Amino acid sequence: ILNVEQSPQSLHVQEGDSTNFTCSFPSSNFYALHWYRWETAKSPEALFVMTLNGDEKKKGRISATLNTKEGYSYLYIKGSQPEDSATYLCAQRPYGQNFVFGPGTRLSVLP
Amino acid sequence: EAQVTQNPRYLITVTGKKLTVTCSQNMNHEYMSWYRQDPGLGLRQIYYSMNVEVTDKGDVPEGYKVSRKEKRNFPLILESPSPNQTSLYFCASRGSQGAYEQYFGPGTRLTVT
Repeated sequence: ILNVEQSPQSLHVQEGDSTNFTCSFPSSNFYALHWYRWETAKSPEALFVMTLNGDEKKKGRISATLNTKEGYSYLYIKGSQPEDSATYLCAQRPYGQNFVFGPGTRLSVLP
Repeated sequence: EAQVTQNPRYLITVTGKKLTVTCSQNMNHEYMSWYRQDPGLGLRQIYYSMNVEVTDKGDVPEGYKVSRKEKRNFPLILESPSPNQTSLYFCASRGSQGAYEQYFGPGTRLTVT
């Protein structure tokens, strides 16, 4: 079973701060890396899918980068807002069908 | 509206009483999966299906069964539930080619006493 790790496990930031978290994964047999945003009592919602080394994706104040050679992806949030509070999940999809999820980073943005 | 639906959303049952959690998607997706979410652990895949009548085990299949008789439906069956199957369950679906995004259902919170 692949091991996808995320750090930190949780963090608290003040409104307006920028923050970032890490997803690390085995670099062999890489196919795609997914980021999801998961709010409490809701279902995970897709943020980004990245497939190529060096990929950078952006959606509003949230962006992500991918390094498949060293096996990591960063998610950045610029100017955090209370509505950004959620658990951010990454999932690697090796060549094949199965997604392997990390344990998530729980973000709390304090007003 | 494109969506994945699950029923029931909440279920409390007793050990050994067979139950089925239904999952349905209206996006004509080939791939469907079941996951469970437990505190401190990532979403873990239970079973997945690549198309009608094609299913395979994920990482934690013990104690579960699935079927895929129609493309839109992928029920999860617990023949004899046990307390260690108390969890939050998600169904998901996606298209067949490339790095297509995966869409999740709203989740089913199951408690087995």
